[in-house]
Amino acid sequence: DGGITQSPKYLFRKEGQNVTLSCEQNLNHDAMYWYRQDPGQGLRLIYYSQIVNDFQKGDIAEGYSVSREKKESFPLTVTSAQKNPTAFYLCASSETSTASSGNTIYFGEGSWLTVV
Amino acid sequence: AQKVTQAQTEISVVEKEDVTLDCVYETRDTTYYLFWYKQPPSGELVFLIRRNSFDEQNEISGRYSWNFQKSTSSFNFTITASQVVDSAVYFCALSGNNAGNMLTFGGGTRLMVKP
Repeated sequence: DGGITQSPKYLFRKEGQNVTLSCEQNLNHDAMYWYRQDPGQGLRLIYYSQIVNDFQKGDIAEGYSVSREKKESFPLTVTSAQKNPTAFYLCASSETSTASSGNTIYFGEGSWLTVV
Repeated sequence: AQKVTQAQTEISVVEKEDVTLDCVYETRDTTYYLFWYKQPPSGELVFLIRRNSFDEQNEISGRYSWNFQKSTSSFNFTITASQVVDSAVYFCALSGNNAGNMLTFGGGTRLMVKP
């Protein structure tokens, strides 16, 4: 099946630990994104990548890190520096990220991260 | 800067009622795109529609219809004869040529359809 796969679906982390969320897409999309969603709120952009080996900070990048070594993969690491990491994390992708392209962004099923 | 406002945080209707979800946007871009997504309880965002700023034709897809009005900067979404399966959170989003392909989301509207 084509699409965006996120894992794990549910993750518990102890305070002070880093944790990595996986995101894989087989849509051959150039651009990938990570969004954070807090309960009852909209989505906020953490990081995005327009092409392999390149990524940019979004609106709330502090306490997070990413890599884009392969076109199909864009893992997100939530570091211990992130003060309030408990949230729902959504990975997404689009064909390109060129200005004025208006490409539709497609989303994965999300990962719930809880700090205990 | 871009902004999307969904003033209705929660709407409750009885099955078979029609319901309209409001979306108002702000942008300085001359070319921009508007989107609606559905987020069911499972969490995944499901793409519903994309509209570019040059196309003001209303669109209908089954029980769904969208009304785009540049004069009022609105892109409203109507569900006709609502069903319980329509219960979800609905997000309106905007991207513009000065923001690349970055989406700005509204806060979402939670729709509850009761049997």
